[in-house]
Amino acid sequence: SQTIHQWPATLVQPVGSPLSLECTVEGTSNPNLYWYRQAAGRGLQLLFYSVGIGQISSEVPQNLSASRPQDRQFILSSKKLLLSDSGFYLCAWSANGEAFFGQGTRLTVV
Amino acid sequence: RKEVEQDPGPFNVPEGATVAFNCTYSNSASQSFFWYRQDCRKEPKLLMSVYSSGNEDGRFTAQLNRASQYISLLIRDSKLSDSATYLCVGWDSNYQLIWGAGTKLIIKP
Repeated sequence: SQTIHQWPATLVQPVGSPLSLECTVEGTSNPNLYWYRQAAGRGLQLLFYSVGIGQISSEVPQNLSASRPQDRQFILSSKKLLLSDSGFYLCAWSANGEAFFGQGTRLTVV
Repeated sequence: RKEVEQDPGPFNVPEGATVAFNCTYSNSASQSFFWYRQDCRKEPKLLMSVYSSGNEDGRFTAQLNRASQYISLLIRDSKLSDSATYLCVGWDSNYQLIWGAGTKLIIKP
């Protein structure tokens, strides 16, 4: 069966520090991968999606970047965090429209 | 106009009642639709797929109306544990998942 791992679950980082969130998928190959951010009480905001290794599409201009160094690995990064980067970050993979999410990372920038 | 729209609620419903909410979409290229449930501070989880012929799973019924471009979710005999935010999503051939912002449901004893 397919599983998705996302870590860490919570993170507190100072302003200006770097960020690296990792997501890995098991049990499937060539998945479509997504990074979302969700503000409290709000919907999912698509940050990046990838249909293959090295293929990254960005939905909104921002202080973040994404990379897909391996087929089942998706990384969200920032060189310098801003206060506005705080939020709930979700990694997901999809096949035929069904999306499966990691547990999420609650990031607080202080 | 947002591509997928939902009433944000909250819907306050007494336990045992039937509740229904809709989700409208503007992209006619969307091929598949799904309902997800998201509990507070948790990731969304797939609730059910939505078909034109309707899809029923226990107390839950989902329906797709392509002519009017909306999908619906009906919950019968609501339980306290049904309290959550319900997200609808459409998927198109460009691998895009188009999410609604969610409808918050609160079941009261």
